[in-house]
Amino acid sequence: AQKITQTQPGMFVQEKEAVTLDCTYDTSDPSYGLFWYKQPSSGEMIFLIYQGSYDQQNATEGRYSLNFQKARKSANLVISASQLGDSAMYFCAMREGNFGNEKLTFGTGTRLTIIP
Amino acid sequence: KAGVTQTPRYLIKTRGQQVTLSCSPISGHRSVSWYQQTPGQGLQFLFEYFSETQRNKGNFPGRFSGRQFSNSRSEMNVSTLELGDSALYLCASSLGQAFPQETQYFGPGTRLLVL
Repeated sequence: AQKITQTQPGMFVQEKEAVTLDCTYDTSDPSYGLFWYKQPSSGEMIFLIYQGSYDQQNATEGRYSLNFQKARKSANLVISASQLGDSAMYFCAMREGNFGNEKLTFGTGTRLTIIP
Repeated sequence: KAGVTQTPRYLIKTRGQQVTLSCSPISGHRSVSWYQQTPGQGLQFLFEYFSETQRNKGNFPGRFSGRQFSNSRSEMNVSTLELGDSALYLCASSLGQAFPQETQYFGPGTRLLVL
């Protein structure tokens, strides 16, 4: 079974609109971290936002927020007021396991295109 | 603070050759992880080094190896290159001390093309 599932291969959104990118995860570990990264065409992975499994509140970072629904194992990224520069691939990732496990498991990504 | 740097940025090799990629982490970061990204397999974890020791390893053949130096810089080596090794190789660094909230910061990647 896939540990991270991103069901939207591509999305087209009008500039200035809000957009939600879906991510569901699968783990039996009670302690885990969820991350979102942005990858422009240049290739570099840019960290956007983090949510811990024990965090009570949804994470927010500027225009990015994470809609964390633990019971549904869902960690959707919300981008408010989208900009042309938001066009990129977006990856959801998870770290699980014991201390010292630095491995991130990534989803297949969503290609977001912002339309002027 | 300077970010993660990777050299070279682009590389063209032929089958059977070997290649070495380099990664310099953010100052103060002691953990370096390597990932392979291909259109078919997506992003896959190769291995992670912490304090010059390999701490975690993904499911890759022994042709893929790495090491870390005392200054935390890391190298990844691929021997006997195959066409399927063509990929973007990403290096990420982190402090290596806090779990699970520790963030990995990625470099710009090395694009390897095997002909």
